[in-house]
Amino acid sequence: DTEVTQTPKHLVMGMTNKKSLKCEQHMGHRAMYWYKQKAKKPPELMFVYSYEKLSINESVPSRFSPECPNSSLLNLHLHALQPEDSALYLCASSRRRETLSNEQFFGPGTRLTVL
Amino acid sequence: DAKTTQPNSMESNEEEPVHLPCNHSTISGTDYIHWYRQLPSQGPEYVIHGLTSNVNNRMASLAIAEDRKSSTLILHRATLRDAAVYYCILRDIIQGAQKLVFGQGTRLTINP
Repeated sequence: DTEVTQTPKHLVMGMTNKKSLKCEQHMGHRAMYWYKQKAKKPPELMFVYSYEKLSINESVPSRFSPECPNSSLLNLHLHALQPEDSALYLCASSRRRETLSNEQFFGPGTRLTVL
Repeated sequence: DAKTTQPNSMESNEEEPVHLPCNHSTISGTDYIHWYRQLPSQGPEYVIHGLTSNVNNRMASLAIAEDRKSSTLILHRATLRDAAVYYCILRDIIQGAQKLVFGQGTRLTINP
């Protein structure tokens, strides 16, 4: 199984809503990532988890709250978002150690619209 | 973060080779060069990576300049399915995890 799954595929939410994005992989990878991609722009790294601990936070606003409850699952909790947060949110995973295969596997993304 | 520079767009014909250039003049000795591509409506997909030597895999070849300040991704025989945005990335390792900083990429169009 070399797949990263993301749910939901599409999400529409109001600025006062609370919602969560979910990402799952069963490849035994111990590093997981959240990226944000605006239309016609490259993906931008948001968070990196390594061994279920937050390693990198790229100065993301606190209205985005990541969580890694176990080695297979990564969540992104959303609260009080702004319309400019509308984007494609991509999840990825990779093996932790650089000496092993170190490609990142990306999911198909969740397309988020904030009204 | 180390930066890469790529042409915004390129066009080629089906069944012909495609050479996608990338400049990375600020590369450090430990930076790996990674290439990913993103097909329409999909997440990015790993293509190939290298450090100093040229690399080949089933998808493509990577030619790295001797001074490592540039590289070229080679698709030997392009198909319509190769139409995508191709990203050249310098990979960093921070606290045991990879950090990929995507540049603007090259949008490749394949003509039938």
